[in-house]
Amino acid sequence: DAMVIQNPRYQVTQFGKPVTLSCSQTLNHNVMYWYQQKSSQAPKLLFHYYDKDFNNEADTPDNFQSRRPNTSFCFLDIRSPGLGDAAMYLCATSRVVGAAGGHLSYNEQFFGPGTRLTVL
Amino acid sequence: AQSVAQPEDQVNVAEGNPLTVKCTYSVSGNPYLFWYVQYPNRGLQFLLKYITGDNLVKGSYGFEAEFNKSQTSFHLKKPSALVSDSALYFCAVRAAYGNNRLAFGKGNQVVVIP
Repeated sequence: DAMVIQNPRYQVTQFGKPVTLSCSQTLNHNVMYWYQQKSSQAPKLLFHYYDKDFNNEADTPDNFQSRRPNTSFCFLDIRSPGLGDAAMYLCATSRVVGAAGGHLSYNEQFFGPGTRLTVL
Repeated sequence: AQSVAQPEDQVNVAEGNPLTVKCTYSVSGNPYLFWYVQYPNRGLQFLLKYITGDNLVKGSYGFEAEFNKSQTSFHLKKPSALVSDSALYFCAVRAAYGNNRLAFGKGNQVVVIP
């Protein structure tokens, strides 16, 4: 089945120790997103890639970086995790479905199962 | 910028009774509306969407939602709730074109009581 896969599902790191979270997709979608979700809150968009174009949200801390080496994979790098970065990290994908008047229209987003990050 | 309001924190309903989860939205232009469900320690699972056409949208697991443009609402409904429907439900909206960012509501915890 086509899907969005996140590894690992649970990640424990130490304060200040760099960590990388992984996302892969078999949907062949050209847009990939990273969200941070804290307990019982709405997901917060960190950034997204449209193909190779990186789009950072204005309030995403510099501590968070991302790489997309190819269509299928996208990585979230946290350079120096703090206690406040403990959260669920969700990867999502979507497909651009068309253009009208120079605009792009995006289909629904499909989410992976998430990676629960614990910072000790 | 688009926004979503889910006014209730928790919705309690007895098993077999109708379930309604409320959502109102604000967006410039035509809206694309979505409902997602999240089970503990899992990602968001897509339930249904409204893009255009019939105001009543049917989705997964017996859920449906009604788009009401005049009231800017997109309430989620299920005629007969199951205990397994207990989860966190998110409504989301984005503009039809341009800004692809989804605005999520704060979520509603649904508790179905056996």
